[in-house]
Amino acid sequence: TQLLEQSPQFLSIQEGENLTVYCNSSSVFSSLQWYRQEPGEGPVLLVTVVTGGEVKKLKRLTFQFGDARKDSSLHITAAQPGDTGLYLCAGRDDTNFGNEKLTFGTGTRLTIIP
Amino acid sequence: DSGVTQTPKHLITATGQRVTLRCSPRSGDLSVYWYQQSLDQGLQFLIQYYNGEERAKGNILERFSAQQFPDLHSELNLSSLELGDSALYFCASSVAGTSGYNEQFFGPGTRLTVL
Repeated sequence: TQLLEQSPQFLSIQEGENLTVYCNSSSVFSSLQWYRQEPGEGPVLLVTVVTGGEVKKLKRLTFQFGDARKDSSLHITAAQPGDTGLYLCAGRDDTNFGNEKLTFGTGTRLTIIP
Repeated sequence: DSGVTQTPKHLITATGQRVTLRCSPRSGDLSVYWYQQSLDQGLQFLIQYYNGEERAKGNILERFSAQQFPDLHSELNLSSLELGDSALYFCASSVAGTSGYNEQFFGPGTRLTVL
């Protein structure tokens, strides 16, 4: 069974600070996605990383896929209250042909204090 | 708005009952996925359908079943409901069949409360 552990589980910081969220697994994933979910709503896709070592930037958010494609990180610069939410990483398993199941991480609940 | 619709938004029912949750995928998407999200277990994959056929199964109970119809909408049937089935149920859709990055787009969810 593939598991994705996210850390920290909870994070509460002041507006303007920087933060990093980690997503780790012992399994290799063909691709990894990050989602943000707000209360009462469905997760919204932020980014997909595919290549080991890949770095993608989305405004103040920087996503990195580990060289071995087992881990990923999300760094937010100058956090804003609008960044508050549940951040989920999700890895795609290609070991079974046609099986596109995503394994979701345990989640990081981020609160940005104005 | 992701383009994925789910009905109903809220559902309150009693133990032992049966309910049906409905999902319409984004236009053009062939795959539909069902997830259960509870406070203590995060987002759990239940089942995937691709173009009408079951493609992958996760931690779906035998009391639960799903299907995808020719128009690609999907229904998740939950029967003999228990208190522990209370959760948010999400549907997601994607274009990918056997290729692509399986980027999934989630609906707004159905909040099921079993009393």
